[in-house]
Amino acid sequence: KNQVEQSPQSLIILEGKNCTLQCNYTVSPFSNLRWYKQDTGRGPVSLTIMTFSENTKSNGRYTATLDADTKQSSLHITASQLSDSASYICVVGDYGQNFVFGPGTRLSVLP
Amino acid sequence: EAGVAQSPRYKIIEKRQSVAFWCNPISGHATLYWYQQILGQGPKLLIQFQNNGVVDDSQLPKDRFSAERLKGVDSTLKIQPAKLEDSAVYLCASIIAGGDEQYFGPGTRLTVT
Repeated sequence: KNQVEQSPQSLIILEGKNCTLQCNYTVSPFSNLRWYKQDTGRGPVSLTIMTFSENTKSNGRYTATLDADTKQSSLHITASQLSDSASYICVVGDYGQNFVFGPGTRLSVLP
Repeated sequence: EAGVAQSPRYKIIEKRQSVAFWCNPISGHATLYWYQQILGQGPKLLIQFQNNGVVDDSQLPKDRFSAERLKGVDSTLKIQPAKLEDSAVYLCASIIAGGDEQYFGPGTRLTVT
């Protein structure tokens, strides 16, 4: 069964600290993996996308990694800011514009 | 470039009532998705359109949910009659033909009392 799991379910950190979110998937066939940020009351917005041959991708303070062999991905946030408080959703796509969503990790950044 | 538009943003109804949501995707995006997102969970696909044809509606509760995209542009999602467990955010997303990035609208938050 195609599935995406994320951990932790929720995370609280202090402003300025780093954190890492995890994503494991069993989706096949695999085309790409994308991390989305979803602010409260808004739709998800793409942060990074990686294909099978890529193992790291950065977008400012966000760095995503992909290990296609172990089917794991991580999203590292550096020097967190209050505006990073949001849900982060891992999404795996196949070649047919079909997407499997993870449940998300709820991040709270406190001052 | 205008984003995906959805309306209304919020809706409160009583159980057994009917409700409809509207979505206008990004111009030129052939594929349109409707998702249901229950609080604390990731989006769950309800239906996927390619132009005005249905690609996947396997998870759409067809006894109460219906959706259409008659001219291959905007789309409506209807719930009739609503149940308490339908309380959720309904997200619309679109993607260009051959593309791999979905663009999401702001969602409609439905509360069923």
